[in-house]
Amino acid sequence: SAVISQKPSRDICQRGTSLTIQCQVDSQVTMMFWYRQQPGQSLTLIATANQGSEATYESGFVIDKFPISRPNLTFSTLTVSNMSPEDSSIYLCSVEVDRYYEQYFGPGTRLTVT
Amino acid sequence: QKEVEQNSGPLSVPEGAIASLNCTYSDRGSQSFFWYRQYSGKSPELIMSIYSNGDKEDGRFTAQLNKASQYVSLLIRDSQPSDSATYLCAVSSSNTGKLIFGQGTTLQVKP
Repeated sequence: SAVISQKPSRDICQRGTSLTIQCQVDSQVTMMFWYRQQPGQSLTLIATANQGSEATYESGFVIDKFPISRPNLTFSTLTVSNMSPEDSSIYLCSVEVDRYYEQYFGPGTRLTVT
Repeated sequence: QKEVEQNSGPLSVPEGAIASLNCTYSDRGSQSFFWYRQYSGKSPELIMSIYSNGDKEDGRFTAQLNKASQYVSLLIRDSQPSDSATYLCAVSSSNTGKLIFGQGTTLQVKP
């Protein structure tokens, strides 16, 4: 497994601003993922972040809105840009450990946009 | 569209009973299957992984996989109130390896 931390744990932001969420893991991992979980819903994958390459975004998510950085094998950031109330959600990072596609999740960032 | 389907519940069982949660998937080429437990306000926690047909037991949890029928299930024996949570089924895509999550089943264990 892996120990994953996220900052901030929660935030309340104003419409039109941006928030950067940090994800730190205690070991080197190749694959990191960013998900969104809206209230009462399951997980939706935003993008895959591999070190040394551009993030790969899922349908419906674009780099201008959700820029991602992956500067090394233990760290990644997700920025939620030009926020609107519809962006209010829990944002989760996860890492793929070893083989067979096992993923472990960070504690999440609860974002409220007013 | 490759999908993972679960009954959203809630599934209510008395304390001490066996809880049975089921999941079906559409991607016949999937190789990896997972159960995550998510308490309210918390992030998903991986509790079981299964990769081959049959049963896999870990304490009070048993995962069952039937690739021919494309279903995976989770049995929780001697259910406890602390097992009350949402259980998410996740299946790896045969094309990308990314996980596809079901909507989750809410389990309520009543004392």
